[in-house]
Amino acid sequence: EVQLVQSGAEVKKPGESLKISCKGSGYSFTNHWIAWVRQMPGKGLEWMGIIYPGDSDIKYSPSFQGQVTFSADKSISTAYLQWSSLKASDTATYYCARRLPTAKGFDYWGQGTLVTVSS
Amino acid sequence: QSALTQPASVSGSPGQSITISCTGTSSDVGGYNYVSWYQQRPGKAPKLMIYEVSNRPSGVSNRFSGSKSGNTASLTISGLQAEDEADYYCSSYTSTTTRVFGGGTKLTVL
Repeated sequence: EVQLVQSGAEVKKPGESLKISCKGSGYSFTNHWIAWVRQMPGKGLEWMGIIYPGDSDIKYSPSFQGQVTFSADKSISTAYLQWSSLKASDTATYYCARRLPTAKGFDYWGQGTLVTVSS
Repeated sequence: QSALTQPASVSGSPGQSITISCTGTSSDVGGYNYVSWYQQRPGKAPKLMIYEVSNRPSGVSNRFSGSKSGNTASLTISGLQAEDEADYYCSSYTSTTTRVFGGGTKLTVL
């Protein structure tokens, strides 16, 4: 069974760093793009970008370029999303999602990680 | 880049059909056959309903169908059921090699 399991909710202060994770199982982790999607409270979905764990090819959405960093550890089938200095406006639920193997749609999603940034 | 344009809300009675539109530009919806539709119920992760304009993943009801004309894609749900009540988002590949979502449409089943 394909699964993407994300790390748990986080409460951070502005200026702190954070790295959240998305662990894939039940499929070949290195052969599928992984996307990161932001959903601010009560708002819609926003594409942050995608990473190919096989070679760590990364494409950031222009709105998020320079604001976050994607990475992946093939050895443990895990993708990461990290911030070096959080802002209150980073408060949101973050989802990872797997791209279909040969088509452009994202078929499996993690359960979401709620990040709360507050002083 | 700007989000794709969707109606904020649509509604229909059980058994009826509804259509949700998704309007973009020639740099996204109109330029590629890479439009997807996602269903999101409250407090849940999105679920893929349609990919590449009109393809249904296995397990998705054939009451859901997608199409595209020019810069506008559409999701049609026929035989509306109470369980279809959710938010629906379109997404398109874009010329910047990333993707963009629509603003979302809240479907109410009356």
